[in-house]
Amino acid sequence: DAGVTQSPTHLIKTRGQQVTLRCSPKSGHDTVSWYQQALGQGPQFIFQYYEEEERQRGNFPDRFSGHQFPNYSSELNVNALLLGDSALYLCASSLASGGGYTFGSGTRLTVV
Amino acid sequence: DAKTTQPPSMDCAEGRAANLPCNHSTISGNEYVYWYRQIHSQGPQYIIHGLKNNETNEMASLIITEDRKSSTLILPHATLRDTAVYYCIVRALSGGSNYKLTFGKGTLLTVNP
Repeated sequence: DAGVTQSPTHLIKTRGQQVTLRCSPKSGHDTVSWYQQALGQGPQFIFQYYEEEERQRGNFPDRFSGHQFPNYSSELNVNALLLGDSALYLCASSLASGGGYTFGSGTRLTVV
Repeated sequence: DAKTTQPPSMDCAEGRAANLPCNHSTISGNEYVYWYRQIHSQGPQYIIHGLKNNETNEMASLIITEDRKSSTLILPHATLRDTAVYYCIVRALSGGSNYKLTFGKGTLLTVNP
C-alpha cells in the first residue's frame, strides 16, 4: 500500500524539548499538509508545503516549523514544547493539480 | 471556507440507513461539500463530495438541497465498522487540492448491533 506514512506513531517528550515528526506522502502526491488534533476536537490546519516551500499557514506560533524535501517527504518541527502541544499530529498528502487528500494515521505526541 | 453545523452525535441500528445532516447556510457558489470520516485512532478518510447535484459512490450517497444550504450523507446499510466521527466540510476547489480543509467537531455516529 502506497498510502501516507508517518513516524513515529507515538512519542513522549518533556516540556521545553524539541520534536521532529516525519511524513512520507502517498506515491505520486507532491503536496503535504500538517494538522493538529486535540482530544475531542476536529483536526486544525497547521501549514502546507509544496515545491519545498510553505504555501499556507494556519493560526500556529512560530514554534511550529516544517520542511519539505525534494522527494516530497516532509517534517514537522515543534520547539519549546508546551503541555498544550499534546495532540495527534496528522499528515495529509495531495496533488497540487487537483484531487482529494489522503491522511496518515498520525503521530500521538504527549508532552509531560 | 464556509462554516458547517452538525449534530454532535447520532445512533443507528446495524443494517439500517444512517442519515447524517449538515447545515452550511453561508456556502458560496464555488464551494463544494466534502465528507470525511475518522475511525478511532486513524486519520480522516475521504467519503464523497459534491457541488449541487446528488452524488453516489461505493461508500455513500450525498444529497444537497436545491438552495445548497444543507446536505445529508447517507450510508445505505450501516455496519458496526461505520462507527466513526463524520465531518462535513465546505471548501472551494480553486487552486487544486492546495486549499486547506477546515474541520469542525463533526458527528459521532454509533452503529448499534
